[in-house]
Amino acid sequence: ETGVTQTPRHLVMGMTNKKSLKCEQHLGHNAMYWYKQSAKKPLELMFVYNFKEQTENNSVPSRFSPECPNSSHLFLHLHTLQPEDSALYLCASSQDRGLAGQETQYFGPGTRLLVL
Amino acid sequence: AQTVTQSQPEMSVQEAETVTLSCTYDTSESNYYLFWYKQPPSRQMILVIRQEAYKQQNATENRFSVNFQKAAKSFSLKISDSQLGDTAMYFCAFILYNNNDMRFGAGTRLTVKP
Repeated sequence: ETGVTQTPRHLVMGMTNKKSLKCEQHLGHNAMYWYKQSAKKPLELMFVYNFKEQTENNSVPSRFSPECPNSSHLFLHLHTLQPEDSALYLCASSQDRGLAGQETQYFGPGTRLLVL
Repeated sequence: AQTVTQSQPEMSVQEAETVTLSCTYDTSESNYYLFWYKQPPSRQMILVIRQEAYKQQNATENRFSVNFQKAAKSFSLKISDSQLGDTAMYFCAFILYNNNDMRFGAGTRLTVKP
């Protein structure tokens, strides 16, 4: 369970705050992902990075800003969030895109975010 | 667009018994992968089993096996000899070949009772 780490594990922030979530993978993977997990809803893919290049942005509001400085690190910068943004934010990584044997995604433990 | 449906929000099973979780998906593509992930309470999501759509043989991993029916677009998970540690949310997931966009079902909460 230590292949993908996320910090912090819990975060409480006000709507005017700016905070960042960090994800680090130790698996030598080239693709990294941010997901939002809300109660009783399917995981929602937010962003995908392949070889440090953003390849997916699923209509995520601009108050969420991703950053991928290298293949091992992924950040999610948060500013002026809304209470409905409270959720578990999961980071994942995979060797590559959906190519044979490289598509399996490995997840971090998540950051539980509460926006007040 | 690809969708994944898990029709059983909650299930329970007695320890040592067998349980089957259902999953259906919708796609017009023929090359894809299917997964079952397990998320124990307050713990990390981990891969349980994966299936390549081009393989007719059902995947198995110890006590976990799938029943993959490609024509019916069905991908159920069977857990044999259920253990207390199997208590978790189980998510069915789908990804197209050469694509990054994995789609998840809403999950099934499984409780194994002693």
